[in-house]
Formats: sequence, structure tokens, C-alpha cells
Amino acid sequence: DTAVSQTPKYLVTQMGNDKSIKCEQNLGHDTMYWYKQDSKKFLKIMFSYNNKELIINETVPNRFSPKSPDKAHLNLHINSLELGDSAVYFCASSPWDRGLLGYGYTFGSGTRLTVV
Amino acid sequence: AQKVTQAQTEISVVEKEDVTLDCVYETRDTTYYLFWYKQPPSGELVFLIRRNSFDEQNEISGRYSWNFQKSTSSFNFTITASQVVDSAVYFCALRAESGNTPLVFGKGTRLSVIA
Repeated sequence: DTAVSQTPKYLVTQMGNDKSIKCEQNLGHDTMYWYKQDSKKFLKIMFSYNNKELIINETVPNRFSPKSPDKAHLNLHINSLELGDSAVYFCASSPWDRGLLGYGYTFGSGTRLTVV
Repeated sequence: AQKVTQAQTEISVVEKEDVTLDCVYETRDTTYYLFWYKQPPSGELVFLIRRNSFDEQNEISGRYSWNFQKSTSSFNFTITASQVVDSAVYFCALRAESGNTPLVFGKGTRLSVIA
């Protein structure tokens, strides 16, 4: 059973299109995240949701909109895609309980988005 | 604010050599957690180890060992007798206990092990 699953694994699309990436976790975690990994491999937090509530929203263009229908799902919708959006996007989840912070994150396998 | 610095961008070693990947962190929290992740060419992020700020014991797991020193804010990772399969990008990461701080990554060190 995959703990954190993202779909699709690869996404190639044209500039200006709108696309979504889906993420689901079956670990019972309260908190989910989106990270972006650029071409230099730098991993940067984009968003974090705790139990469907947005708690972290880094400086990300408002073309990116996360949606959490329930605590097991965190989807990422991107409007008007630009060439610079090409990257690998990782979903992750973790427990919220302060006593469990040391468990770290469980990551999905990533979605490679290529905008042409 | 939390910060993780991995000063080595790329390292190349010949198989069977030992290699140490450096990690220096910054945080004002007294309780925090440090992690190492491996990202092989296939792209997934593989968890290697966690360490909390109160546990300065070094750890060894097979060919891998970790040296945590609070005095120098370092959490270095050594691979002994490296193998080609160790070729990957390695990330050090930090999570502080306070607030809603997320896991903060260093920029990664790309390790190439040559046969």
C-alpha cells in the first residue's frame, strides 16, 4: 500500500493551460504539504494544510491554488501555466502532534511537470 | 528562522573510498529534529535518519554513520566503502518544534561514486 500517492507522475502541457496534481495519504496524518523542487534540486515548501486548514502559504504566485477536501487529500491546481513552473512537485504528510514532530515527513514519489 | 547549509554542491569519489557529507544548521529553537534524505536518480526522496536535538549520540547503520555535534551545529553523514549505488543527491533537513515551521532542506550534495 502506497503511503503517499501522487498522480500523475509525469505531466507535459503547453503554456497557458490549467492543470491539477492530486495527492492522497493513507497514514492518518493531519498535515499535508506541497514542495517544489527546481532544476537545481532545491526543495522549497509551497503550502501546508492541517486538517483541511491552510497553515503555511509561502510566496507562491496566486496561479497556484491548493485544495484540501479532507485531511487525506491535498490537491494542487495551477492556472495559466508558465515555462518557469516546470519542476518536480512533491506532496508529503506528517503527524501534527507536537510529540510526533520527530517522525518527519513521508513523501510522495513526485510529479514531474514540464511546460512547453 | 531555520536554515540548513550543505556547502558541498558536488562530490566525486572512486568506489570503496569513504566520503563525508557536511551539514550545518541554524535555529533558535532548543528542540528540533534533523534528518537526512537520499534522492537517487529515480527521483524519490528516501528517508535515511532522524535525530532530535537532545540526542547527540552518533549512529552507525551498516556503511552509513552520522556525527551530530551541537557545539558546531553540524550533522555530518559519512559513507564508508562507497558503492556505485550510493550515487545520489543527499539532503540534510531541519524541523524546529515551535510554531508551524515546516521541514527546511539544505540545497543538497550530489554524490557520484565512480567504479
